[in-house]
Amino acid sequence: QQQVKQSPQSLIVQKGGISIINCAYENTAFDYFPWYQQFPGKGPALLIAIRPDVSEKKEGRFTISFNKSAKQFSLHIMDSQPGDSATYFCAASIQFDRKLIWGLGTSLAVNP
Amino acid sequence: NAGVTQTPKFRILKIGQSMTLQCTQDMNHNYMYWYRQDPGMGLKLIYYSVGAGITDKGEVPNGYNVSRSTTEDFPLRLELAAPSQTSVYFCASSGQEETQYFGPGTRLLVL
Repeated sequence: QQQVKQSPQSLIVQKGGISIINCAYENTAFDYFPWYQQFPGKGPALLIAIRPDVSEKKEGRFTISFNKSAKQFSLHIMDSQPGDSATYFCAASIQFDRKLIWGLGTSLAVNP
Repeated sequence: NAGVTQTPKFRILKIGQSMTLQCTQDMNHNYMYWYRQDPGMGLKLIYYSVGAGITDKGEVPNGYNVSRSTTEDFPLRLELAAPSQTSVYFCASSGQEETQYFGPGTRLLVL
């Protein structure tokens, strides 16, 4: 049973466009929602994270939108660049539990 | 500060052989994790540790063992390698904050 459902599986965006990746969860005890970025041949690295007490968090071109009532959160990449081409994973965890529950990933390709 | 290091980078094993994947972190993190990553399947937690001497099973522990004798090291042992253990293995660590820092991975092929 996939506790964190991520979509789409793959995404192709033109340079300068907006990339949107969505995640949905069931467990209302989740209280930490990070997004990780992974380049080919590398380990994942934290991109941005949010807690349920805010509905949006922005860091540069990357924004997390969080909808607690719908149990959904999404990653928006503004002005997408070819260097953003990577696999993106959403995840979630319960307070004080350091184990992350991962989505299956989204492969993003940004065409020049 | 090297972060999380893993050795080897790549290994080919024959069915039934055993090996140890090494993981070391120099950030004095209490929490350490072992994941396997298969194409399209995301990251699956194999084992984790909350401190030296304390380990616990994750989602897919069968066929693996771990130990944590020091804060820095968290080796993963494969006994009787099987083709189903062909994967990319990542070690990660985290400290006071919840961010997990990943190593570069070990690619394992079992033939």
